[in-house]
Amino acid sequence: DQQVKQNSPSLSVQEGRISILNCDYTNSMFDYFLWYKKYPAEGPTFLISISSIKDKNEDGRFTVFLNKSAKHLSLHIVPSQPGDSAVYFCAASAANSGYALNFGKGTSLLVTP
Amino acid sequence: GAVVSQHPSWVICKSGTSVKIECRSLDFQATTMFWYRQFPKQSLMLMATSNEGSKATYEQGVEKDKFLINHASLTLSTLTVTSAHPEDSSFYICSARSSYGYTFGSGTRLTVV
Repeated sequence: DQQVKQNSPSLSVQEGRISILNCDYTNSMFDYFLWYKKYPAEGPTFLISISSIKDKNEDGRFTVFLNKSAKHLSLHIVPSQPGDSAVYFCAASAANSGYALNFGKGTSLLVTP
Repeated sequence: GAVVSQHPSWVICKSGTSVKIECRSLDFQATTMFWYRQFPKQSLMLMATSNEGSKATYEQGVEKDKFLINHASLTLSTLTVTSAHPEDSSFYICSARSSYGYTFGSGTRLTVV
């Protein structure tokens, strides 16, 4: 049962514009959320995280928004750059399940020049 | 920062043989190691959680006798795929949780022929 869902398998954005990647979750016990960037045959690279006590976290071009009532989070990348092209995974963890990460299926982002 | 060294990065083995994958935390102690598997275009699925010095906890549907996990020290965890079959071909990734957050290995591409 997929507890973390990324309903958009792919997204194409023009360089310089904003990329918005969405993620929904079903487990209300999740209290920590992360975004990872991944290339084929490589391990995920951590981008940004947010705790459930916050609704926004910003790090450079990356901002994560959390809407707990909607069980929804999003990653904003602005401005988007061609080097951002990769698969982005949303992940969530809960203290009561040993902090193991539950991943979405990923969204493939393509940033075109 | 924290680094997890995972090897081999890729391995091809014959059906029926066993393969061992190692994950070492290089500059920190990993009391908990998570093992994931990723099939093409799918999410990273948690297989098991191992804690140093104790038995691993397996997710539902993961055969503990087939995927042997050993976490004998704070810096080394191993996953052995026993009697591998073509359907075990996948991308296996470990992740350690520490005060640095979640650190992933670079992954192992297993192909069983």
